[in-house]
Amino acid sequence: QTVVTQEPSLSVSPGGTVTLTCGLSSGSVSTSYYPSWYQQTPGQAPRTLIYSTNSRSSGVPDRFSGSILGNKAALTVTGAQADDESDYYCVLYMGSGIWVFGGGTKLTVL
Amino acid sequence: EVQLVESGGGLVQPGGSLRLSCAASGFTVSSNYMSWVRQAPGKGLEWVSVIYTGGNPNYADSVKGRFTISRDNSKNTLYLQMSSLRGEDTAVYYCATLRGRGFDSWGQGTLVTVSS
Repeated sequence: QTVVTQEPSLSVSPGGTVTLTCGLSSGSVSTSYYPSWYQQTPGQAPRTLIYSTNSRSSGVPDRFSGSILGNKAALTVTGAQADDESDYYCVLYMGSGIWVFGGGTKLTVL
Repeated sequence: EVQLVESGGGLVQPGGSLRLSCAASGFTVSSNYMSWVRQAPGKGLEWVSVIYTGGNPNYADSVKGRFTISRDNSKNTLYLQMSSLRGEDTAVYYCATLRGRGFDSWGQGTLVTVSS
């Protein structure tokens, strides 16, 4: 069974830069998995940040960027702000009409 | 403006059935890949089902054989028929559009609670 891995928690200082990653329990993430990223605050619906590895969704500031780093997908937040404190999820398209979410990363800005 | 509004959630007994609806505006459901994603209380997101523009569906193993995704083009609405419900199906259910093999616009979600 494929498991998509994310850091359970990360912290960043205001104005700082942080990179969240999205990996596979077995194998490497490539653009062929169309990695995408979502931000969610408690009680709210997810908000799409990045799709297809590095395409920013409409209205998303360019402080958020997606990439492949080594064998993982990555979401980099530059110039972190207090309201970036949220849960972040990645999802990978496994092919054959199957998507698998990572367990999420709780980002703290302090 | 794209808008998705889910409804139909509620309390249902184990083994029961429920149908969720997702009313869309600002775009045509039948011209888009559409999906359901759920989130159990305090847990992460879980993909549930997809329906393609041609009408072909697919399901996560956890719901295969129990859930059915469909759409009504005349009502521009997406549905999720859920049967043989279990406690582990308790979650907020979101409908979402798909873009570039990722999820794009999301509804606000509807809570399904499976309990006796």
